[in-house]
Amino acid sequence: EDQVTQSPEALRLQEGESSSLNCSYTVSGLRGLFWYRQDPGKGPEFLFTLYSAGEEKEKERLKATLTKKESFLHITAPKPEDSATYLCAVQANQAGTALIFGKGTTLSVSS
Amino acid sequence: GAVVSQHPSRVICKSGTSVKIECRSLDFQATTMFWYRQFPKQSLMLMATSNEGSKATYEQGVEKDKFLINHASLTLSTLTVTSAHPEDSSFYICSAPLQLKYGYTFGSGTRLTVV
Repeated sequence: EDQVTQSPEALRLQEGESSSLNCSYTVSGLRGLFWYRQDPGKGPEFLFTLYSAGEEKEKERLKATLTKKESFLHITAPKPEDSATYLCAVQANQAGTALIFGKGTTLSVSS
Repeated sequence: GAVVSQHPSRVICKSGTSVKIECRSLDFQATTMFWYRQFPKQSLMLMATSNEGSKATYEQGVEKDKFLINHASLTLSTLTVTSAHPEDSSFYICSAPLQLKYGYTFGSGTRLTVV
């Protein structure tokens, strides 16, 4: 069964304190792994797509990496505005199939 | 970029009534729309997949007679929650697939509260 597990469930950081979020997955035929940001009461906002092991993507203070079993979202020197829930999702097998989501990591950054 | 507009953002209805949620693709044609439900501190759970011009496909455990999905055009998909009950209170989100490098685009969500 395709599955996505994220850890930790919640993370509290001081402004400037770098850390990483983990997403482990089991999927039959990974087409893509996605990271999203979700603010309370809003729909997910796309951050990155990763396709294959060894790939890395960066955007401002965020960097996503991918191995054959997991992905990490590294947050460097976070700011309070980075506070949100970060969701990891995978697309398996066929093109156009629905994404399978993890439960997310809720990040709180205090100044 | 590709935008899905979802309405309403919030709705409160009485138990036993029906509620319709709309998702419109504003600048692209969505042949497929996914409908998710999200409970507090839980993952987005796929409810159903709608395809323009054909019947929706429902996930196991989702009542198709309760959650009516219509995908009448390439720009509009609707979810109607019929005879709503308090346990249907949740956050409902629609999503359309794009090219992989752009991810899937999501609506802004609808918070349904049944009283």
